Amino acid sequence: GQNIDQPTEMTATEGAIVQINCTYQTSGFNGLFWYQQHAGEAPTFLSYNVLDGLEEKGRFSSFLSRSKGYSYLLLKELQMKDSASYLCAVMDSNYQLIWGAGTKLIIKP
Amino acid sequence: IAGITQAPTSQILAAGRRMTLRCTQDMRHNAMYWYRQDLGLGLRLIHYSNTAGTTGKGEVPDGYSVSRANTDDFPLTLASAVPSQTSVYFCASSDSGRDEQFFGPGTRLTVL
Repeated sequence: GQNIDQPTEMTATEGAIVQINCTYQTSGFNGLFWYQQHAGEAPTFLSYNVLDGLEEKGRFSSFLSRSKGYSYLLLKELQMKDSASYLCAVMDSNYQLIWGAGTKLIIKP
Repeated sequence: IAGITQAPTSQILAAGRRMTLRCTQDMRHNAMYWYRQDLGLGLRLIHYSNTAGTTGKGEVPDGYSVSRANTDDFPLTLASAVPSQTSVYFCASSDSGRDEQFFGPGTRLTVL
């Protein structure tokens, strides 16, 4: 079967760095997406990785290792507004997104 | 530019009733999707459409139907609602079906 695993909840301190991990087993691979979802709102796109390595976009970076079925999202200089759920999703061989349950990130002052 | 709109925002529905959730996008995207999101679970795909005039079944299609008469609209119908269909429903679209998806604000549906 297809499976996406990510931690249920993480806590970090304002101004710090946090890494959210995602491991996957899917039927085929056509890219990995990270989305941010604030409580009561829609998911919004953060990053996309299809090749191995690190993609940097401002305070957020995303890493992919296809051979290990592994990705992480790195958030630097954490701000209170970064408190949200972070969703990992893999596009399978049919170009459909398989979603993890999300990681709820709590930022403490 | 609205992006994707959904209606209604929320709804309480008696079991057995028929309900249509509306979704409209103005980005001229080819692909559209319906997901449900339940606590502790990832987004689950109900139905999708790669282009106007075509639809396909996702992971959890039972009890739901869709149509795609034109590029902009993708309504989701519950023929006879059941309590297990209580959920938050998100509509999404993507340009090619192989790139990032943009989400509507969601519809919170409660079936009693």
